[in-house]
Amino acid sequence: EDQVTQSPEALRLQEGESSSLNCSYTVSGLRGLFWYRQDPGKGPEFLFTLYSAGEEKEKERLKATLTKKESFLHITAPKPEDSATYLCAVQTTGGSYIPTFGRGTSLIVHP
Amino acid sequence: GAGVSQSPRYKVAKRGQDVALRCDPISGHVSLFWYQQALGQGPEFLTYFQNEAQLDKSGLPSDRFFAERPEGSVSTLKIQRTQQEDSAVYLCASSPRVGATDTQYFGPGTRLTVL
Repeated sequence: EDQVTQSPEALRLQEGESSSLNCSYTVSGLRGLFWYRQDPGKGPEFLFTLYSAGEEKEKERLKATLTKKESFLHITAPKPEDSATYLCAVQTTGGSYIPTFGRGTSLIVHP
Repeated sequence: GAGVSQSPRYKVAKRGQDVALRCDPISGHVSLFWYQQALGQGPEFLTYFQNEAQLDKSGLPSDRFFAERPEGSVSTLKIQRTQQEDSAVYLCASSPRVGATDTQYFGPGTRLTVL
């Protein structure tokens, strides 16, 4: 069974304090790994897709990396507006396009 | 352009009532997904439409759940005889591509509370 585990469950940072969120996965074959941002009362907003180990993608203060077992979302010098829940999801090979989501990491950045 | 919209945003139902949740996807989007998100959890897949065809309904938790997309645009998720365990946020997402999940655009969700 495909599993996606995110850690930590919650993270509090001071503005400017860089850190990383982890998404570890156990799947039969990875087709793609997705990162989303979800603000309270809103639907998830797509951030990145990673397809193969070694791949990296960046957007503003966010950088996503992928290995064969996990992905990291690095947040550099975060700002309060980066506060949100960050969700990781995996899509496997074998024809199914149904994504499996992790529980998310709730990030709070204090000014 | 408008994004994905869902209505109502909030719904309170008494146990045993039937509810209908509406999703208006982005115009022209082929794929439409429904998800259920419990408090503190990630979204869980319910069902998938490609145009008007329901290609996958493996995530629907029971036969009380029914979804349709008769003209390939607006979709309705219906829950019959609601139970307390149905309380959750129901998310709809659409995508311009067939089966794709990386280009999904999510609506704001409908928060269902069953008393």
